[in-house]
Formats: sequence, C-alpha cells, structure tokens
Amino acid sequence: DTEVTQTPKHLVMGMTNKKSLKCEQHMGHRAMYWYKQKAKKPPELMFVYSYEKLSINESVPSRFSPECPNSSLLNLHLHALQPEDSALYLCASSQASLPDTQYFGPGTRLTVL
Amino acid sequence: GESVGLHLPTLSVQEGDNSIINCAYSNSASDYFIWYKQESGKGPQFIIDIRSNMDKRQGQRVTVLLNKTVKHLSLQIAATQPGDSAVYFCAEKRNYGQNFVFGPGTRLSVLP
Repeated sequence: DTEVTQTPKHLVMGMTNKKSLKCEQHMGHRAMYWYKQKAKKPPELMFVYSYEKLSINESVPSRFSPECPNSSLLNLHLHALQPEDSALYLCASSQASLPDTQYFGPGTRLTVL
Repeated sequence: GESVGLHLPTLSVQEGDNSIINCAYSNSASDYFIWYKQESGKGPQFIIDIRSNMDKRQGQRVTVLLNKTVKHLSLQIAATQPGDSAVYFCAEKRNYGQNFVFGPGTRLSVLP
C-alpha cells in the first residue's frame, strides 16, 4: 500500500472559521509533510514531522497549526485564514532515516472566502 | 518547442517522439533528487529518483541524468504518449533534515 489519503477533498471556509485538514498513511513512514501549492506553482514546504516531532517549520503563520497525533496521522488546523491562503494543500510521507522519495496524497483544495 | 515566460514553461512534443525536460538546481550540497509528474487535480506522483553519487539512472521509458558540475538535472521520456501530458517537477533534497525544494515545473503537452 503506497497510498496517502487526505480529507476533505474540497473545503470552503470563512475567515472566522476553524477547520482541520487530515492526512493518513499506513506505509510505516516516520516523516510526514505539509505543502501548499498555488495554481501554476510548485509545492512549497510548510512543515515536516519526523518521528512525530516537528522538525521543520518554514516560517508559516500561526493561523496554520500542525499536529501529528501518531505515526500514521497528520493534521493541519486552520483558524482565521485569509483569502490568499486559498490553495491546494498537499500531504506527503517518506522514510525518515534516509533520503527517500515522498509519496503525496491527492490534496485538499481550500477556498477561503 | 519550449517556451518560458509568465506562464509555466511548456514543452510540446509529437506522440511517439522522445521528450527531454530540464531542471537547474541551486544547492551544490543537495544529495538526492526526484522527478515528479502532476496531473490536473492530483498530487505529485513519483517517477524516478537519483542520488548525488550517480550520473544516470534508468526506469521504464524514463531516464534521469545528473550533471553536478553545472547543477543540472534532466528527465528523458522515450516514445512519449498522450498519458504523459502533465506538469513535471524536479525536487532536490537539501543536505539537512528532510527539506525538499521543488523546481518551477514544466508542462508537457503531447500532440497527436
């Protein structure tokens, strides 16, 4: 099983809402990632978790709050977002101990009104 | 041909021809590189990878070449098919942590 699943597929939220994005993998990977991708642009790294601990935060605003409850799950909590935060949010996972390919989920298409 | 401008660079090839997609990377300390294919509405899909101690790696219909001297990576697709139409990204792993940086991407259009 080389699948990373993400829910929901689409999300529309207002600027005062609180919502969460979810990501799950069962490949035994111990590194998990959140990326943001705007139209016609490459994915931009937001956060990296390694062995359930936050190892990289690419200066992401605090209105995005990641959480890794266990080795298979990764959440991204959203609060007080801005319209410019509308994008495709991608989750990925990989082996943590060696440089290794990342497997991506299909993404959540987020629209902030 | 290939065009670069305000839009995503696009490479148009005839079905059955070979495609070559290029990527320049910035960090000479990067030690691992991946090519991804991204179709509309989907997440990036792994195609092939190469480590910095190699110059060439071949997969099924794809070959990746790495030139560390000029910090250049290329993806060659043999006998390009309509299903190869997508945006292709190279990604480099910086030599610390698990920090992957993606290139700007190239849209491959396969003409019938």
